[in-house]
Amino acid sequence: GAGVSQSPRYKVAKRGQDVALRCDPISGHVSLFWYQQALGQGPEFLTYFQNEAQLDKSGLPSDRFFAERPEGSVSTLKIQRTQQEDSAVYLCASSRRGESETQYFGPGTRLLVL
Amino acid sequence: ILNVEQSPQSLHVQEGDSTNFTCSFPSSNFYALHWYRWETAKSPEALFVMTLNGDEKKKGRISATLNTKEGYSYLYIKGSQPEDSATYLCAFILRTGFQKLVFGTGTRLLVSP
Repeated sequence: GAGVSQSPRYKVAKRGQDVALRCDPISGHVSLFWYQQALGQGPEFLTYFQNEAQLDKSGLPSDRFFAERPEGSVSTLKIQRTQQEDSAVYLCASSRRGESETQYFGPGTRLLVL
Repeated sequence: ILNVEQSPQSLHVQEGDSTNFTCSFPSSNFYALHWYRWETAKSPEALFVMTLNGDEKKKGRISATLNTKEGYSYLYIKGSQPEDSATYLCAFILRTGFQKLVFGTGTRLLVSP
């Protein structure tokens, strides 16, 4: 079946611009995660949804970052007034349920803020 | 602060060599450890999910072991092939962590023909 998809794959934004990154999880997966990977680092947790409920947003770096999953499937990560330090790869992952479930990752969106 | 360390940072081997990497993590409140392989321009691919102390898992030429009491996991690749070239990431989940993965910085493997 189809895996996790993300769009766009690449995004170049001017500093101060708003961007929206989309994630389509595997159909039927309850849990959805966003991670941010800066250059030379491992991915870092941003936020977690169980269905439409955002249960953990402790990793969002500032109030410029906002995520939603209104119908419990597709999710959007929005970054307002982008800054150069927001340049990173943004990964989305989904899993069925359960704390030791495999998380299936999308290919990521590479964001470059100039 | 939760810290996951992987070593070495990078490794360059010849085709046919066997190799291994280390992942160190906090041993308290451990719930699960994941290994991923991430090839450039592709999605990270799940290799193993390990939960029990002493776990050993195998997938083809790749295997992994887990020691939760001392907080480490080893990943082994037997007879490396050029297609094994990738970054290998480990990540663990805290018992109270809502499934969120805490990643290491990865080991970048390059296998030359």
